[in-house]
Amino acid sequence: GAVVSQHPSWVICKSGTSVKIECRSLDFQATTMFWYRQFPKQSLMLMATSNEGSKATYEQGVEKDKFLINHASLTLSTLTVTSAHPEDSSFYICSARRQGGGDTQYFGPGTRLTVL
Amino acid sequence: AQRVTQPEKLLSVFKGAPVELKCNYSYSGSPELFWYVQYSRQRLQLLLRHISRESIKGFTADLNKGETSFHLKKPFAQEEDSAMYYCALLTGTASKLTFGTGTRLQVTL
Repeated sequence: GAVVSQHPSWVICKSGTSVKIECRSLDFQATTMFWYRQFPKQSLMLMATSNEGSKATYEQGVEKDKFLINHASLTLSTLTVTSAHPEDSSFYICSARRQGGGDTQYFGPGTRLTVL
Repeated sequence: AQRVTQPEKLLSVFKGAPVELKCNYSYSGSPELFWYVQYSRQRLQLLLRHISRESIKGFTADLNKGETSFHLKKPFAQEEDSAMYYCALLTGTASKLTFGTGTRLQVTL
């Protein structure tokens, strides 16, 4: 149990376009989902915390207008990278915390974004 | 601000040798620490958390508040232990995780 999926697993897009990444909790309801960014050979950096039905809370330095997060249901959160540029190329990982399941976060497999 | 430090990027040990992956933290509140593991081509998964005080796959970690450390140990390394290990600190009312930079453990024959 506690499986989190991400779609797509990888995406290549042109500079200036927008890309949407989905994060789903497959077998549990997630009140909170987290979005991380990971550069090659570096650690995960938290971008934002997403709560179902409310606005996401962004970490310092993360542009909320560039990285749009929507958490419309207890099983789905989306991250949209708007007007993507090459510097946005990275590995984006989501995690979900189970409703009533304490603090354990379950991670998705990640989405590799390459902006040309 | 909170911080997690993993001083070693790579730790290479022989099979059967003891392993210790170091983790130090900086946090003004009451710390709750985790070790996550990422095997090759797999997602990040929880290995253990300090409040559980359990041993997973032979690994243990003890929180030392005096030294602000949470080192991961295993008495006898196995090949299948080769992976990337991340130490993480839970903070705040939103229960956010702050990750260390990770240590790659390489177990060789």
